[in-house]
Amino acid sequence: DSGVTQTPKHLITATGQRVTLRCSPRSGDLSVYWYQQSLDQGLQFLIQYYNGEERAKGNILERFSAQQFPDLHSELNLSSLELGDSALYFCASSISGGASYNEQFFGPGTRLTVL
Amino acid sequence: QKEVEQDPGPLSVPEGAIVSLNCTYSNSAFQYFMWYRQYSRKGPELLMYTYSSGNKEDGRFTAQVDKSSKYISLFIRDSQPSDSATYLCAMKESENTGFQKLVFGTGTRLLVSP
Repeated sequence: DSGVTQTPKHLITATGQRVTLRCSPRSGDLSVYWYQQSLDQGLQFLIQYYNGEERAKGNILERFSAQQFPDLHSELNLSSLELGDSALYFCASSISGGASYNEQFFGPGTRLTVL
Repeated sequence: QKEVEQDPGPLSVPEGAIVSLNCTYSNSAFQYFMWYRQYSRKGPELLMYTYSSGNKEDGRFTAQVDKSSKYISLFIRDSQPSDSATYLCAMKESENTGFQKLVFGTGTRLLVSP
């Protein structure tokens, strides 16, 4: 158990809908990262937050947004869902978000299925 | 072309075999190299990380980085059925970039049979 929690575990929804994925980082970690894992693309970095502020953006679609709250939990919002958004979404956390390497601890993931 | 290339496998070996897993990359700015293990329906967990070139050993696992060839390897000695998982390589640019973006390979599925 990494100490990172994600809810829900599974989510099944329809095209065009909007969903919210939630992540609670390890105690003491200030940075949260979101990743998308699909069969053909592998694990893709979406976005990083550090202590409530956006720190880095990856290949995140405009239909997706995220935020980190004062208690450091984070939410990833996915809207106007398409079939291709079906994937595993992972949250990871690390102590800091600075330049030097910090181990990222991954949560168990949320499996999103868009029908 | 992807920044990080990794053979998806599956790689099937008998118990006790030495396993070699590899990744190639194109971005010469990568300085940190990691190997993650992911069991089915679980999140990735860090196995080893290496800074710049060289070897690093941890128990049955050895990580090698050859920056001149842009090639990294993970060796598993005396492989066990419990090693059956997907192995992901990941890389990060140097400290100058100021953030923690990791670039992952697609993962190699390893199956160790008893």
